[in-house]
Amino acid sequence: EAEVAQSPRYKITEKSQAVAFWCDPISGHATLYWYRQILGQGPELLVQFQDESVVDDSQLPKDRFSAERLKGVDSTLKIQPAELGDSAMYLCASSLGPQETQYFGPGTRLLVL
Amino acid sequence: DQQVKQNSPSLSVQEGRISILNCDYTNSMFDYFLWYKKYPAEGPTFLISISSIKDKNEDGRFTVFLNKSAKHLSLHIVPSQPGDSAVYFCAARWSGSRLTFGEGTQLTVNP
Repeated sequence: EAEVAQSPRYKITEKSQAVAFWCDPISGHATLYWYRQILGQGPELLVQFQDESVVDDSQLPKDRFSAERLKGVDSTLKIQPAELGDSAMYLCASSLGPQETQYFGPGTRLLVL
Repeated sequence: DQQVKQNSPSLSVQEGRISILNCDYTNSMFDYFLWYKKYPAEGPTFLISISSIKDKNEDGRFTVFLNKSAKHLSLHIVPSQPGDSAVYFCAARWSGSRLTFGEGTQLTVNP
């Protein structure tokens, strides 16, 4: 069964450092999402891509976060510089289209010290 | 502004009994609702959904009920099994909008 792949699974970094997360969606899925989930809360959308284009990044802290999906397949989410409050689970999801069921990857657990 | 709320952080039931997980929403524009299940160290997995034109959708042991007038939905699991122990998230959207998730409810099914 096709799955969304994410790496790394865990990342520990010091504040002010740069971190990057990678996501490979299910083959053929045009829509890709990055979510942040803080412990005890539900996932919150950071950015949504349709193919290589950003369609929603209204909740992305653009002063420190960036995301790209250059060839419309895999994607990278970057944080620079990381802050203590960025400690969370970062989830990637993909879907055939923007209104289709979203399938999530296993996530990257980030701890900022 | 929490538009989707799951007021029970946890629920414990006996194996074989019914589990009822609840979710309330405030945005009357929501017209599609979903439930996801999440095991530790895994991403959320889609479970079941319902459109606002329906008030019930059933898939095996899982049934979702929607009460639009009360802006309330619930997920029923019957019979509950130990493998159902997980965090359950409800989520909602309207056409063209992002998914908005609730805070999640930890379900524990005791053997």
